[in-house]
Amino acid sequence: EPEVTQTPSHQVTQMGQEVILRCVPISNHLYFYWYRQILGQKVEFLVSFYNNEISEKSEIFDDQFSVERPDGSNFTLKIRSTKLEDSAMYFCASKIAAVQETQYFGPGTRLLVL
Amino acid sequence: AQTVTQSQPEMSVQEAETVTLSCTYDTSESNYYLFWYKQPPSRQMILVIRQEAYKQQNATENRFSVNFQKAAKSFSLKISDSQLGDTAMYFCAFLSTGNQFYFGTGTSLTVIP
Repeated sequence: EPEVTQTPSHQVTQMGQEVILRCVPISNHLYFYWYRQILGQKVEFLVSFYNNEISEKSEIFDDQFSVERPDGSNFTLKIRSTKLEDSAMYFCASKIAAVQETQYFGPGTRLLVL
Repeated sequence: AQTVTQSQPEMSVQEAETVTLSCTYDTSESNYYLFWYKQPPSRQMILVIRQEAYKQQNATENRFSVNFQKAAKSFSLKISDSQLGDTAMYFCAFLSTGNQFYFGTGTSLTVIP
């Protein structure tokens, strides 16, 4: 069964450094998402992406964040200058169609900012 | 704005018994989807079950079933014949017409052998 994959599974970085989190969505899916879950808290929406552009983003997704799909398979989340409060689990999700289809989540990347 | 409330932060159940996790939500939309996701210690988000708001029939998926009360905006998850592998965090989620997920704060379920 096809699944969303994410790399790395764990990332440790120094405050102020740039990180890139990578996701490979399910191959025939067209809509892509990033979510964040700070330890002990609920999952929060960051951004949605379709047709090579951002379709929606939350207040969390400020200028420090960016997304792109550089090669038609990978979907990346970049944090330009990490802060301590960026430490969280980051989930990528994808879905096949527009109208309220189920989003399938990847296993997540655990980011720790020191 | 949509909100999802899970009022039970922690629950436990004996193996082979049945447990019900509650979820309520608030929305002005009439057409939406509801989901239960399971997050085991590995922290991966696994889809358990989903319900279309326009369907009156409650969704079932093997040992998992929901009690969807649209008027009451209630969406509880029933796990029958609980197994040790069911131990996890369970999140209720609302999917709006804007295709954005809203998650509850989760219920930590422990299945006791």
